[in-house]
Amino acid sequence: TQLLEQSPQFLSIQEGENLTVYCNSSSVFSSLQWYRQEPGEGPVLLVTVVTGGEVKKLKRLTFQFGDARKDSSLHITAAQPGDTGLYLCAGSAGGTSYGKLTFGQGTILTVHP
Amino acid sequence: DTEVTQTPKHLVMGMTNKKSLKCEQHMGHRAMYWYKQKAKKPPELMFVYSYEKLSINESVPSRFSPECPNSSLLNLHLHALQPEDSALYLCASSHEETTSGRAYEQFFGPGTRLTVL
Repeated sequence: TQLLEQSPQFLSIQEGENLTVYCNSSSVFSSLQWYRQEPGEGPVLLVTVVTGGEVKKLKRLTFQFGDARKDSSLHITAAQPGDTGLYLCAGSAGGTSYGKLTFGQGTILTVHP
Repeated sequence: DTEVTQTPKHLVMGMTNKKSLKCEQHMGHRAMYWYKQKAKKPPELMFVYSYEKLSINESVPSRFSPECPNSSLLNLHLHALQPEDSALYLCASSHEETTSGRAYEQFFGPGTRLTVL
């Protein structure tokens, strides 16, 4: 059974601060996705990383996939109240496991004005 | 069009009722999913359809009955639910074929907030 350990579980910061969320596993993933979810809404896909060592940027968000494809991080620079939400990492083992994403437990981020 | 739509947005039902949740996508995806999500927790996979055939059932109780009438539509029929089934029910879709790893990018709908009284 693949597991993704996501940390921290809760993050409460002031506007303008930087933060990093981590997802770690002992298993290799063929791809890893990051989602953001607001209360009462579905998760919105932010990014997919597929290559070990890959770094992707989305405005103030920087996503990194570990060289061994076992871990990933999300870094937010100068957080804003609009960044508030539940952040989820989700990995896919690929192959015959298609369709079954392994989700981290989520990080609830609150950015105070 | 990268949208997955779900209806209704909210549903309140008694334990003896029969109701259905609906999901639609027009992205040409051939894999569709039902998830259940409790507050502040990650989604839990319930069912996966691939090319309109049920390919994964995660040991879901029979009071939940999925149906895939065609490649764009996915239904979840509900009958004799329990209060603990109250949750956000999410539909998602993705490509089925592997293409640069993007096969596993799942796009989620807004969900149906279900309350069982």
